[in-house]
This record gives sequence, C-alpha cells and structure tokens, in this order.
Amino acid sequence: NAGVTQTPKFQVLKTGQSMTLQCAQDMNHEYMSWYRQDPGMGLRLIHYSVGAGITDQGEVPNGYNVSRSTTEDFPLRLLSAAPSQTSVYFCASSYSIGGSGEQYFGPGTRLTVT
Amino acid sequence: EDQVTQSPEALRLQEGESSSLNCSYTVSGLRGLFWYRQDPGKGPEFLFTLYSAGEEKEKERLKATLTKKESFLHITAPKPEDSATYLCVLIKAAGNKLTFGGGTRVLVKP
Repeated sequence: NAGVTQTPKFQVLKTGQSMTLQCAQDMNHEYMSWYRQDPGMGLRLIHYSVGAGITDQGEVPNGYNVSRSTTEDFPLRLLSAAPSQTSVYFCASSYSIGGSGEQYFGPGTRLTVT
Repeated sequence: EDQVTQSPEALRLQEGESSSLNCSYTVSGLRGLFWYRQDPGKGPEFLFTLYSAGEEKEKERLKATLTKKESFLHITAPKPEDSATYLCVLIKAAGNKLTFGGGTRVLVKP
C-alpha cells in the first residue's frame, strides 16, 4: 500500500494563478479531507468528503474548491492564488471519521504564493 | 466555542528525563480525543484514541490519559527519537470535523 500520496511536494505560484493539488489513497477509505498548516495556527480543515460525490466545507474553505468523483482521489483546486494561501497542505483519509478516528496523512505540499 | 489548548508549546528534555504534555479542552459533546505525532516535513502520524474519562492507552514510552477536561501524554525515559511535535485532536459527538490543538514541540537531547 502506498497509503496517502500527494503531488506536488513543492510549488511556487504567482498571485492570481490557479492550480490543483493532487491527493490519492489506496486504502478504500470513505472519508478524505484537506488541511492547511500554518505556524502558530495548528491544522485547519479546508474541505472534506464522506464518500464519492459528497463534499462539504470545513473551517477555512474560501478560495478553494474540491470534488470527489472516485473513492481514491480528492483534488484541491486553488482558484486564484493569494499570498495568504502560502502554507503547507495535508490530505488525510480514514475508513470512518466516527470509528477509530485514525486518520492517515499524506506527506504534504508546501505552497508559496508570491 | 470549542477550544483545544496544548501546553507547554515547547519542551526540552534530557534523554531519560520523563515528563508530561497537557491538552485541555472545552467542547460540547466529546466523541473522542486523539494524539498524533508529527516529525518535521512530514504529515501527522496517529498514536492513540481515547473515548471516555479514565481511559488510558500505552505505546512504548508513551502513555495517554483522559479526564473530563484534559488529556495528558506522558513520556517515560524519552529517547532522542521521541523528538517531534505532539498534536492533540478532538472530534465532537455531532459532525465529522476534527479540531486540532497547536501542538507541543518536544526535543530530547542525548
């Protein structure tokens, strides 16, 4: 099992550019989520999905879009990048958020917006 | 408003010097509390789940405990490889969202 994979590992964007952060898991997990991690802020939930075709907003959804067409993939789209979106982004998955609560995190994408 | 506060923010220990990390929380309807470990440049790694006051979980040199208002992560005789940031995470009884604490950075010197 590869677990949770994220691409790219690093990305530099200019203000106003758009891009998609990729996330995939091979554990057949229903629940997937995106977080951003900023110094002194902890991890904050951006969007999450409880299954293919079902997504919902988290704590900080503005400026981001998601879709879930398959169980395996959960891409995060930045519509028009802003310097405030400079952060480390983590994708996570779990079999059931209400079960063990054990989430598997990807290695992260470090994004810089200039 | 739900809150998770971890203390201290940073902890420097000598190898073998036992200590405890604190996670205090205010939440309406706690379903579960989790501890994660995060190494620099990596995603968090799951350690423990605690569901009810009085519950304890152990793994190697780590022991997690839970009361109605806080959780402790005890590190017994730590080794340098225990150096990491430890995250406390809550999930409420209603909903699917996790609430993360700010973490405690632990550095164990040989």
